[in-house]
Amino acid sequence: AQSVTQLGSHVSVSEGALVLLRCNYSSSVPPYLFWYVQYPNQGLQLLLKYTTGATLVKGINGFEAEFKKSETSFHLTKPSAHMSDAAEYFCAVNSNFGNEKLTFGTGTRLTIIP
Amino acid sequence: DVKVTQSSRYLVKRTGEKVFLECVQDMDHENMFWYRQDPGLGLRLIYFSYDVKMKEKGDIPEGYSVSREKKERFSLILESASTNQTSMYLCASTEDRGLRPQHFGDGTRLSIL
Repeated sequence: AQSVTQLGSHVSVSEGALVLLRCNYSSSVPPYLFWYVQYPNQGLQLLLKYTTGATLVKGINGFEAEFKKSETSFHLTKPSAHMSDAAEYFCAVNSNFGNEKLTFGTGTRLTIIP
Repeated sequence: DVKVTQSSRYLVKRTGEKVFLECVQDMDHENMFWYRQDPGLGLRLIYFSYDVKMKEKGDIPEGYSVSREKKERFSLILESASTNQTSMYLCASTEDRGLRPQHFGDGTRLSIL
């Protein structure tokens, strides 16, 4: 079984500051890892994903995440926060083995302080 | 641009009613999903479908059923609505064989009174 832990249900950063959203996973097989973003009153959008290969993954809107196997982490970062980044962010995990369903974390709500 | 459309953004129903939530995708995707989103719980998979008339239970199928008569349409049915089914419901689709949703609808916020 796989699981995802997102540390911090709410994160606030100042506009222009570094955004860091934490995600740790548990998986007995090589994981596929995802970040989704949900803007107010909308569904989820895929922000970025790691499957195989390069461990630093770049996504849309200037976000990136790094897969660290030794730390079982896939933290999401953005160098400089923008007001439009205010949203809820979900980390998710599955694998390429069998018909593994995607397991979501509980989400982190990001607030940007002007 | 790809689109997943959920028929209602907001819905209010009464306890015991049979409720239908409709979802249509225009991308010819084989895989479609219904999730439930609750604060502090993230997204939980109710059912998914990998082809017309094919369905699989997710993590929380109790009290729900689904219908997929056409490839583009995936319906979620609450057989006898209860107050604990008040929630946000999200439909999604993907061409990914690995059951990883790529495109989501905007959600239906369902209130059961």
